[in-house]
Amino acid sequence: AQKVTQAQTEISVVEKEDVTLDCVYETRDTTYYLFWYKQPPSGELVFLIRRNSFDEQNEISGRYSWNFQKSTSSFNFTITASQVVDSAVYFCALLSGPYNTDKLIFGTGTRLQVFP
Amino acid sequence: NAGVTQTPKFQVLKTGQSMTLQCAQDMNHEYMSWYRQDPGMGLRLIHYSVGAGITDQGEVPNGYNVSRSTTEDFPLRLLSAAPSQTSVYFCASREDHTNTYEQYFGPGTRLTVT
Repeated sequence: AQKVTQAQTEISVVEKEDVTLDCVYETRDTTYYLFWYKQPPSGELVFLIRRNSFDEQNEISGRYSWNFQKSTSSFNFTITASQVVDSAVYFCALLSGPYNTDKLIFGTGTRLQVFP
Repeated sequence: NAGVTQTPKFQVLKTGQSMTLQCAQDMNHEYMSWYRQDPGMGLRLIHYSVGAGITDQGEVPNGYNVSRSTTEDFPLRLLSAAPSQTSVYFCASREDHTNTYEQYFGPGTRLTVT
């Protein structure tokens, strides 16, 4: 069965701190995709990154970085020098299985609060 | 492109009433799906469609119907609303012929059933 676990329900930091959001996934498929989405207080879902199972390279985009480790089934997300605008709920998600399905499995989300 | 649009943004229903949540996309995406978001539970898949005329159930399909008569539209019908269906509903779409698998989400519909 596929499953995504985000053990951190809520994290609070002060601006300029670094913060890491954990994501652990379960799947028996060898081909799968992992995603991070941001949901700001306004409610929309904003796509941040996609990573496929064959690409274990870490990725950096500005203050955001992602660490994908198949050995531990983790896809963690780090925000460097956090800002108040980073306050949001962050979801990790997994897509695996046959190509003609659309079952994106979400974790329960981590609420990040960045205080000035 | 407008992307994925949903109407209405907010809706209040009484128990037993029926209604349709509308979803449309103008990106010619084959795949469309409906999710509900509840506190502490993330997003859960209700129904999805891999193309016009084809639909299938997701994780929590009970109490909902869908149809896909065109590529653009994927309405979600609540047959007899119950308080347990109070939630935020998101429609999403994605292409089928690329490997990006990026899902584009609509802005959501906040539904309250009293």
